[in-house]
Amino acid sequence: DGGITQSPKYLFRKEGQNVTLSCEQNLNHDAMYWYRQDPGQGLRLIYYSQIVNDFQKGDIAEGYSVSREKKESFPLTVTSAQKNPTAFYLCASQEGGTDTQYFGPGTRLTVL
Amino acid sequence: QKEVEQDPGPLSVPEGAIVSLNCTYSNSAFQYFMWYRQYSRKGPELLMYTYSSGNKEDGRFTAQVDKSSKYISLFIRDSQPSDSATYLCAMSDGYSSASKIIFGSGTRLSIRP
Repeated sequence: DGGITQSPKYLFRKEGQNVTLSCEQNLNHDAMYWYRQDPGQGLRLIYYSQIVNDFQKGDIAEGYSVSREKKESFPLTVTSAQKNPTAFYLCASQEGGTDTQYFGPGTRLTVL
Repeated sequence: QKEVEQDPGPLSVPEGAIVSLNCTYSNSAFQYFMWYRQYSRKGPELLMYTYSSGNKEDGRFTAQVDKSSKYISLFIRDSQPSDSATYLCAMSDGYSSASKIIFGSGTRLSIRP
């Protein structure tokens, strides 16, 4: 089955900790994205990557970091510098030649 | 002013009714328009994808784009309880290989049995 997987589904973090959210896709898409979704708000872009070893900041990149060492993988690290990290995090990949994005099931991060 | 405006709802209709969901936008460069359905605690799934103006039909779903009014709609015919979800509109200008997509905040829809 082709698709996007995210892990873990739920993640709890203590203040001051860094945590890494996993995103893997087997759709052979070049572009991948990370969004944050808060209640009652739309999706806000954190980082995106158009190709391996390259990525760009989105609208709310502060306190987050990413890497893109493999086409299939785009992990997101939520650092201790992110002041309000509790949210639902969505990873997506984009089909080449279109603006169609496909989403993973999401990771819900809660800061204790 | 947000680039994309969407009424958050909630919208509650009886089963079998026709549902109309709408978004307005301000950027005249947008030419790709999408509708996503998101169930609670799940990732969004693509429902409809249209390019430029006009209508597109897929089963019970019809997407309509009016670029002159900067207004897009999603119609759901013969609505079912399983259609209860949040519906997100999305759009982009499509001028780069990974152009940014702007999402609406979503409309929460509830279909009453």
